[in-house]
Amino acid sequence: EDQVTQSPEALRLQEGESSSLNCSYTVSGLRGLFWYRQDPGKGPEFLFTLYSAGEEKEKERLKATLTKKESFLHITAPKPEDSATYLCAVPGQGAQKLVFGQGTRLTINP
Amino acid sequence: KAGVTQTPRYLIKTRGQQVTLSCSPISGHRSVSWYQQTPGQGLQFLFEYFSETQRNKGNFPGRFSGRQFSNSRSEMNVSTLELGDSALYLCASSLAQGQGHSPLHFGNGTRLTVT
Repeated sequence: EDQVTQSPEALRLQEGESSSLNCSYTVSGLRGLFWYRQDPGKGPEFLFTLYSAGEEKEKERLKATLTKKESFLHITAPKPEDSATYLCAVPGQGAQKLVFGQGTRLTINP
Repeated sequence: KAGVTQTPRYLIKTRGQQVTLSCSPISGHRSVSWYQQTPGQGLQFLFEYFSETQRNKGNFPGRFSGRQFSNSRSEMNVSTLELGDSALYLCASSLAQGQGHSPLHFGNGTRLTVT
């Protein structure tokens, strides 16, 4: 069964303190890995898609990387507005079904 | 371009009642998926519709059903509500064609509370 595990569950950083979030997955034949950001009371917002090991994508202070077993979301010099829950997901069996991890709740203190 | 629109935003229902949630996808998106989000289980796939046909279904009881209309708008229905159905129900649309996978774009959800 396809599984996605994210760590840590929660992370509290000071503004400007860089760190990384982890997403490990167990799937039979990776067909992409997706990162989303979710703010309280809102739906997940799409950030990145990664398809192959070694691929990297960047957006402002975020950079996502992919290996054969896991993905990292690196956050560089974060600001309070980066506080959110970050979710990763992989396609499950069947069209358009995503299997999500439990998310990492990131808090950036000013 | 307008995003995914879900109505209503909040609902309070009593056990045993039924409820219908509505979703309007992004213009041009023909695939609509539904997810349930709870603190304990996270985001779980309910079902997906493409061109008015259900293509995939998650592990939920038959009380959960859905449909898609010719304009791609979708509704989901939950009958005989249970306390455990309290959750945020999220709709997502995508440009999906065939079996390929494209990013899902989510609405802000309907918060259902069952008392």
